[in-house]
Amino acid sequence: DVKVTQSSRYLVKRTGEKVFLECVQDMDHENMFWYRQDPGLGLRLIYFSYDVKMKEKGDIPEGYSVSREKKERFSLILESASTNQTSMYLCASRGPGTGLYEQYFGPGTRLTVT
Amino acid sequence: GDSVTQMEGPVTLSEEAFLTINCTYTATGYPSLFWYVQYPGEGLQLLLKATKADDKGSNKGFEATYRKETTSFHLEKGSVQVSDSAVYFCALSGPGSARQLTFGSGTQLTVLP
Repeated sequence: DVKVTQSSRYLVKRTGEKVFLECVQDMDHENMFWYRQDPGLGLRLIYFSYDVKMKEKGDIPEGYSVSREKKERFSLILESASTNQTSMYLCASRGPGTGLYEQYFGPGTRLTVT
Repeated sequence: GDSVTQMEGPVTLSEEAFLTINCTYTATGYPSLFWYVQYPGEGLQLLLKATKADDKGSNKGFEATYRKETTSFHLEKGSVQVSDSAVYFCALSGPGSARQLTFGSGTQLTVLP
């Protein structure tokens, strides 16, 4: 089974702090994604990566950056956290053998910025 | 751009009731369509999918049929269980979307014993 893990389930940070959210997948998938989930808005794509060191902006990249130095790891960075970045963050991966466009999700990190 | 509209929640049903969650979409070309489910405290899991018109996806008693003429992909189950309580997301992936998924807003389902 594909396993996608995220470094923290819950995180509380202060406004202005630099925040790192880590995601690791164990199936050698090329594609990895970061979403944020907010009530009534569903999931919105922040960034995605289709290979090591490759990244593309999603629908809401402002205030975020990403890093993909190794194939299995995709990090989301909040350079200076703000209260409007309080949300649930979900990581996903996709690769050969997972079916057409199917993505596998991690359990999520609930981030609170105070 | 692509978009997905799904039925507003929350939906509360009694055990063994019939479930329908409506989903309609707007997309260029012929997207693939998905239903994902999120159980409390967990990430999303793929529930079912359909890749072309008139395909029916099914899993765990849930079904959805890809209707091109009405641009819909409604989720149904004949008899829900308490364990079906979760948030359900409709999603699409189109040929022009670089493998991205576009999600609906989600529908919270609660099934009472």
